[in-house]
Amino acid sequence: SAVISQKPSRDICQRGTSLTIQCQVDSQVTMMFWYRQQPGQSLTLIATANQGSEATYESGFVIDKFPISRPNLTFSTLTVSNMSPEDSSIYLCSVEDDRAGYTFGSGTRLTVV
Amino acid sequence: GQQLNQSPQSMFIQEGEDVSMNCTSSSIFNTWLWYKQDPGEGPVLLIALYKAGELTSNGRLTAQFGITRKDSFLNISASIPSDVGIYFCAGLLPNTGNQFYFGTGTSLTVIP
Repeated sequence: SAVISQKPSRDICQRGTSLTIQCQVDSQVTMMFWYRQQPGQSLTLIATANQGSEATYESGFVIDKFPISRPNLTFSTLTVSNMSPEDSSIYLCSVEDDRAGYTFGSGTRLTVV
Repeated sequence: GQQLNQSPQSMFIQEGEDVSMNCTSSSIFNTWLWYKQDPGEGPVLLIALYKAGELTSNGRLTAQFGITRKDSFLNISASIPSDVGIYFCAGLLPNTGNQFYFGTGTSLTVIP
């Protein structure tokens, strides 16, 4: 299965600032996915990122708040913009792993103060 | 979004006991996945199920894809302390591309 490197692993940020999370995969993948996991909650899909096109956002998530880049088939970034304490969550990137569902990165634990 | 109801929400068991958890929905799914998440880590795939009625094992773990395609269960036999974590089910709806919907999670604590 694919190996995903995600960074930073954690960060504490001031409200009103932005944080960019990076996700690097050790193989070329068509689609990359960004999830949010709020404290004690399950995973919610933020958006799907395809190389060469704009990301597709799920209901409740907008590009201005969560801009995504996908410059090539092995890399993607998610930015959490103009952060507030409500954005404190774990953010996870993942890729489709043939027929084995998703493989996840280790996540970025974000705390906004 | 789709609601996957996972139960129980949490479990506290003695080491050596068997564990059973399940995931139900009002919708029909094409694929069921079971993940485990350790603290500070991303979820790790345990078992994938692709056909109604399918029963698949991975060591001490056994999972089944319900006949109605609306549910799945995961069993862990002879639990050990390293089984501690949060277990999530995930389902893939027909004709929705690659979007998996995740269950609400079952937190498992194993008491030595």
